[in-house]
Amino acid sequence: QKEVEQDPGPLSVPEGAIVSLNCTYSNSAFQYFMWYRQYSRKGPELLMYTYSSGNKEDGRFTAQVDKSSKYISLFIRDSQPSDSATYLCAMIRNSGNTPLVFGKGTRLSVIA
Amino acid sequence: KAGVTQTPRYLIKTRGQQVTLSCSPISGHRSVSWYQQTPGQGLQFLFEYFSETQRNKGNFPGRFSGRQFSNSRSEMNVSTLELGDSALYLCASSAGGATDTQYFGPGTRLTVL
Repeated sequence: QKEVEQDPGPLSVPEGAIVSLNCTYSNSAFQYFMWYRQYSRKGPELLMYTYSSGNKEDGRFTAQVDKSSKYISLFIRDSQPSDSATYLCAMIRNSGNTPLVFGKGTRLSVIA
Repeated sequence: KAGVTQTPRYLIKTRGQQVTLSCSPISGHRSVSWYQQTPGQGLQFLFEYFSETQRNKGNFPGRFSGRQFSNSRSEMNVSTLELGDSALYLCASSAGGATDTQYFGPGTRLTVL
């Protein structure tokens, strides 16, 4: 079993839809959680960074962490064609300088 | 502030050759991490350098190596290239703390023929 599981999609939604992207993880040592967005031919860019369980909102984006279930989500409200990209979850352990562990990414297309 | 830069952006090599990729981090950042991204495996960690020392290493063969210079710029080298080394190689820089945000460059697309 991989440490971080993420459905690769592709996911296709109409403009204006609410999008839900999810990752599960197996190691309870993961304490910090991130969502990156990667456009075609570009490097990943950080969207959201959370530590504790609960919700964190930034504009149209909401990150949700449920440590008891080892499950994280990213919600996109009022999705736009410009949101079409690959979304990667990433997480890091609480102790020591350990590397980020990424999910494989979910490819999202928002159709106008 | 200028972002992370990587050179070259595209490379085509043949099996058995070696290649060197370069990464210039954000000014003031002391940590540089390297990742390999493929459709099948996703983003996989190669290694991290901090203040010219390798601090972490992923599960890649010894053909993959790197170094960091005193100005924090980093290079990675792949020797005896194999077809399976075709990938997007990304570097990311951070201030160096355990939970500091990593900022990615645009990547180098390596194709091995």
